[in-house]
Amino acid sequence: TQLLEQSPQFLSIQEGENLTVYCNSSSVFSSLQWYRQEPGEGPVLLVTVVTGGEVKKLKRLTFQFGDARKDSSLHITAAQPGDTGLYLCAGGIFSGGGADGLTFGKGTHLIIQP
Amino acid sequence: KAGVTQTPRYLIKTRGQQVTLSCSPISGHRSVSWYQQTPGQGLQFLFEYFSETQRNKGNFPGRFSGRQFSNSRSEMNVSTLELGDSALYLCASSSTGYYGYTFGSGTRLTVV
Repeated sequence: TQLLEQSPQFLSIQEGENLTVYCNSSSVFSSLQWYRQEPGEGPVLLVTVVTGGEVKKLKRLTFQFGDARKDSSLHITAAQPGDTGLYLCAGGIFSGGGADGLTFGKGTHLIIQP
Repeated sequence: KAGVTQTPRYLIKTRGQQVTLSCSPISGHRSVSWYQQTPGQGLQFLFEYFSETQRNKGNFPGRFSGRQFSNSRSEMNVSTLELGDSALYLCASSSTGYYGYTFGSGTRLTVV
């Protein structure tokens, strides 16, 4: 059974500050996906990283996949109130028979105060 | 293009009843997965269907079942409902989950 530990669980910061969310596992994943979820809605895919050491940027968000493909981080620069939400990391192990389902971290509840 | 559609959005059932939830994936997506989300456990994988075949199943009791139709639409069924089944049930579709999934808005099930 794969586990993904996500930290911190809760984070409340002021607008303009920077933050980093971590996602760690002892398992190797084929694909590491980051989602953002608003209250009452389903998660929305932000990015997928599949290569060890890969870095992807999405405006003020930077995603990194660890060299061993066991961990990932999400860094937000100059956070804005619109970044408020639940951030989820999810790892997948894919074979010819499809995925054994995504393993999700418990999520980081992020609040950006104006 | 239309997103993933789940019906109904909200449902209240009594212990011991059974319930069926529906999911229409994005057109062209043949993979449909189901997840249960609760405050304590987060998102947990229920099962995945691809071309009408269940490919994988999570660690849930046999009361949880599903199926996929030839048009890729999927249903999940929970029999003999328990209070602990109260949760947000999410459906996700993909052409290949390797690059990510599109989730529906979920069905909020409350068991009383």
